Amino acid sequence: DAKTTQPNSMESNEEEPVHLPCNHSTISGTDYIHWYRQLPSQGPEYVIHGLTSNVNNRMASLAIAEDRKSSTLILHRATLRDAAVYYCILRATGNQFYFGTGTSLTVIP
Amino acid sequence: EAQVTQNPRYLITVTGKKLTVTCSQNMNHEYMSWYRQDPGLGLRQIYYSMNVEVTDKGDVPEGYKVSRKEKRNFPLILESPSPNQTSLYFCASSLSGYPYNGQFFGPGTRLTVL
Repeated sequence: DAKTTQPNSMESNEEEPVHLPCNHSTISGTDYIHWYRQLPSQGPEYVIHGLTSNVNNRMASLAIAEDRKSSTLILHRATLRDAAVYYCILRATGNQFYFGTGTSLTVIP
Repeated sequence: EAQVTQNPRYLITVTGKKLTVTCSQNMNHEYMSWYRQDPGLGLRQIYYSMNVEVTDKGDVPEGYKVSRKEKRNFPLILESPSPNQTSLYFCASSLSGYPYNGQFFGPGTRLTVL
């Protein structure tokens, strides 16, 4: 199974942009890149996904490297509510999800 | 309101006593899945279902059973629970098993097996 590598933890100041990296060097051509986040004491929440092109939605932006071996989740202005564990996963049709341990983001007021 | 519900939210039981954790979604989703979350191990998939009567093993299926007789429900069955199944369990659903659909997660069920 294709898997991802993320830093264990990151810190950001409030109201500054945050770039959360993810490496997925074994990605296959049909794997989509998904990002989820898990706020304390809650279930994971879908954030964004993409295949080849960069993607934007109201929560975040996803920048995908040209070779697709890495991606970056961008939170444009971090708020205290963005403090969570962020998971980068690869998704193929019907395949199981593999979440890994994610990146714990701390937002400093 | 679109949601995934799980019951119970908290459960303390003893070794060997069969239990079922229910999961229901009201979004007419085809794909449903169960995960367990343990400290330091992240979320690991137990079983998933692409549609009614179609289920498949995830990363950690040992000791668990599932069934998918109706589209909206996907119960998780522990026939003979053991202490190593003490964990936080999440149910999730998505529109389909295609990779461009995101998953919606339930609130979680915290299970303790003594």
